[in-house]
Amino acid sequence: DAGITQSPRHKVTETGTPVTLRCHQTENHRYMYWYRQDPGHGLRLIHYSYGVKDTDKGEVSDGYSVSRSKTEDFLLTLESATSSQTSVYFCAISDFQGYQPQHFGDGTRLSIL
Amino acid sequence: DAKTTQPNSMESNEEEPVHLPCNHSTISGTDYIHWYRQLPSQGPEYVIHGLTSNVNNRMASLAIAEDRKSSTLILHRATLRDAAVYYCILRDNTNAGKSTFGDGTTLTVKP
Repeated sequence: DAGITQSPRHKVTETGTPVTLRCHQTENHRYMYWYRQDPGHGLRLIHYSYGVKDTDKGEVSDGYSVSRSKTEDFLLTLESATSSQTSVYFCAISDFQGYQPQHFGDGTRLSIL
Repeated sequence: DAKTTQPNSMESNEEEPVHLPCNHSTISGTDYIHWYRQLPSQGPEYVIHGLTSNVNNRMASLAIAEDRKSSTLILHRATLRDAAVYYCILRDNTNAGKSTFGDGTTLTVKP
């Protein structure tokens, strides 16, 4: 299995508080991704990174920021969490070419009350 | 970004073949076709990918139409453990960043 660790695995917090989710990889892959998945739906891309300090927006980036200061870590921050950001968040990694598969972490279940 | 279209749900009987279709009419020449599946409470798992030719691996087969505007994931003998949501996505070989998932097909396998 690809070496991807998401932390925390579960978190409950209150509206208006900042939240940071961490994705750590041991595969030295260039690309890292953050997705969210809401009940009964597929994954929606929030942000992705194509290298250290290189990031770009996905389809649902509003309210989220990311940072990648080293190859192995990709952080997702909710500056001021809202109830609409309650979701399951998945991190994924891949090498840079499109034929390389993505490998996913086990997800972080985030509840914002 | 090129999108994919899949049926919301499909059913199959155990030990019978399953053909899961995917339409991708706006596919570009540099897009690879990938399939993933997601079991309940887990992250998606890579199944198979292809560019133009049909592909086989230990999990499944991928049949790609000659015009590349559609593809079919084939599970040769469905088991109860194959019950999952199956996603067909396109990954650009020149920019693997914009990997967009749709809602996928929920496969139910009946004993």
